Amino acid sequence: GAVVSQHPSRVICKSGTSVKIECRSLDFQATTMFWYRQFPKQSLMLMATSNEGSKATYEQGVEKDKFLINHASLTLSTLTVTSAHPEDSSFYICSAGIRPSTDTQYFGPGTRLTVL
Amino acid sequence: GESVGLHLPTLSVQEGDNSIINCAYSNSASDYFIWYKQESGKGPQFIIDIRSNMDKRQGQRVTVLLNKTVKHLSLQIAATQPGDSAVYFCAENVEGGYQKVTFGTGTKLQVIP
Repeated sequence: GAVVSQHPSRVICKSGTSVKIECRSLDFQATTMFWYRQFPKQSLMLMATSNEGSKATYEQGVEKDKFLINHASLTLSTLTVTSAHPEDSSFYICSAGIRPSTDTQYFGPGTRLTVL
Repeated sequence: GESVGLHLPTLSVQEGDNSIINCAYSNSASDYFIWYKQESGKGPQFIIDIRSNMDKRQGQRVTVLLNKTVKHLSLQIAATQPGDSAVYFCAENVEGGYQKVTFGTGTKLQVIP
């Protein structure tokens, strides 16, 4: 149980285009999901907290107009990188937890974004 | 161009030996701690967790120790195997029960066959 999937696993896009990444909790409902970004040989940095049915909460320094988050249902959150640039190339990872039974987060497999 | 990343601390261990990975956390108010394993190109995988009212917790081949006095966390892996090779992150929950966690810098474990 507690499986989180992401789609796509890899995406290559041209500079200036937008890319949507999906995060799904497959066997549980998640009122809250989290989006992280990870650069090579670095740790995971929290970008935003995605709340089902309401606006996402962004961490300091993360542009909400650039990284659009939509948590449309209890099993799906999407992250859209708008007008992507090469510096947005990174590994994007989502996570979700089963509430209220546990505080443990379960992570998706990640999405490798490369912006040319 | 290619971004310059930090150099991850690396621990090299002989297969069959025990591994100890250390982590210093920052927030004395943190009450929940987790160890994650991340293999190359994959998302973090939960290993073991511990709450601040405990100082030790054991799992299968893994033990987590918590020293709140010095804000130190360690992960012990018994009889390390090649499949244990990965980057290990500690994470702390700074908002008790809300699931929002902050990750440490990570340690790369290399198991020598």
